[in-house]
Amino acid sequence: AQTVTQSQPEMSVQEAETVTLSCTYDTSESDYYLFWYKQPPSRQMILVIRQEAYKQQNATENRFSVNFQKAAKSFSLKISDSQLGDAAMYFCAYRSGGQGAQKLVFGQGTRLTINP
Amino acid sequence: DVKVTQSSRYLVKRTGEKVFLECVQDMDHENMFWYRQDPGLGLRLIYFSYDVKMKEKGDIPEGYSVSREKKERFSLILESASTNQTSMYLCATIRGGGGGNTIYFGEGSWLTVV
Repeated sequence: AQTVTQSQPEMSVQEAETVTLSCTYDTSESDYYLFWYKQPPSRQMILVIRQEAYKQQNATENRFSVNFQKAAKSFSLKISDSQLGDAAMYFCAYRSGGQGAQKLVFGQGTRLTINP
Repeated sequence: DVKVTQSSRYLVKRTGEKVFLECVQDMDHENMFWYRQDPGLGLRLIYFSYDVKMKEKGDIPEGYSVSREKKERFSLILESASTNQTSMYLCATIRGGGGGNTIYFGEGSWLTVV
């Protein structure tokens, strides 16, 4: 079974600085997707960024980028120019690329605090 | 606009009560999921369904059951609520097909069992 591990329960960063959230995963599959979700206090899950395993290029969405190391099974999220609105729980997630229900497997979450 | 609606946002129930959590989606998605979210544990899958009347156990199905009589509605049932089921419950849906499809989440249901 696939597992996702986030080893940093909490992180904090000064506003405007850069922070990196760590995620590792375990799978024997070759076709899969990785995601970072943001969950603000409203509890609504928001997709931040996604990465297809077959793509070597790291995904980027504005101030958010990932460092995808497939051999090491590592998928970290870098937030540049941190803003107060980035404060939230961040979840790393894995999903198989095959057919079927494709359930999401989540990590434990990292709570990010932005210091003004 | 896409909608996944969890009708009960906040519930307080007594130990031993039967509890129903409802999730309705308007996107004609085949796949629906119930997750439980607890601090330090992330989101854990309870049950999922890939079609009407079809269901499969997730990682923590004990103490729960589900019902999917119509494609748009997926219900989570706590037959006899216990205090260790106090948690936030999230419903999610995905269209059938490849793993790249977008997953949509409801806003969550906070359940307190006293």
